[in-house]
Amino acid sequence: AQTVTQSQPEMSVQEAETVTLSCTYDTSESDYYLFWYKQPPSRQMILVIRQEAYKQQNATENRFSVNFQKAAKSFSLKISDSQLGDAAMYFCAYRGNQFYFGTGTSLTVIP
Amino acid sequence: GAGVSQTPSNKVTEKGKYVELRCDPISGHTALYWYRQSLGQGPEFLIYFQGTGAADDSGLPNDRFFAVRPEGSVSTLKIQRTERGDSAVYLCASSLNGGLNTEAFFGQGTRLTVV
Repeated sequence: AQTVTQSQPEMSVQEAETVTLSCTYDTSESDYYLFWYKQPPSRQMILVIRQEAYKQQNATENRFSVNFQKAAKSFSLKISDSQLGDAAMYFCAYRGNQFYFGTGTSLTVIP
Repeated sequence: GAGVSQTPSNKVTEKGKYVELRCDPISGHTALYWYRQSLGQGPEFLIYFQGTGAADDSGLPNDRFFAVRPEGSVSTLKIQRTERGDSAVYLCASSLNGGLNTEAFFGQGTRLTVV
């Protein structure tokens, strides 16, 4: 079975600074996608960034980028120039034969 | 509608009662997922529909839970003999198809409280 692990329940970052959220996963599948979702207090899950497992190049979306280490089964999210609106729960997700989420990291942005 | 719609947004029920939670996916999306999210936890997979059929129901916790999607669009999650431990936010998501790279869009969930 696939599992997704987020080992940081809470993280904080100073506004305008950079923060990295960790995620590891376990799978025996060769074809899969990885995602980071943001969930603000409104409960709406918002897709932040996605990574295709067969692509070595790390995905980037504006201030958000990932460090994908396939051999290590690691998929971290880097948020640059953090903004107050980035404060939320962040979930790492794996999509292969099934679609699983980690337990989340609560990010606080300090003004 | 423009997004995934879930109704009701909040539901309070008494222990032992039956509840139905509704999900209206984005029009044309064939894949539909149900998740349960307890306070402070990540979404826990319940069931995945591809069209009208349940492609994967391995996440349903017990036989009190079942879900239907009779016409391949709207889905209903049904919980019988509710227990206090069923209290959670129930999230629904849809995607264009079941392809790995297709974006899943989420509703805002139904908060179920069993008293």
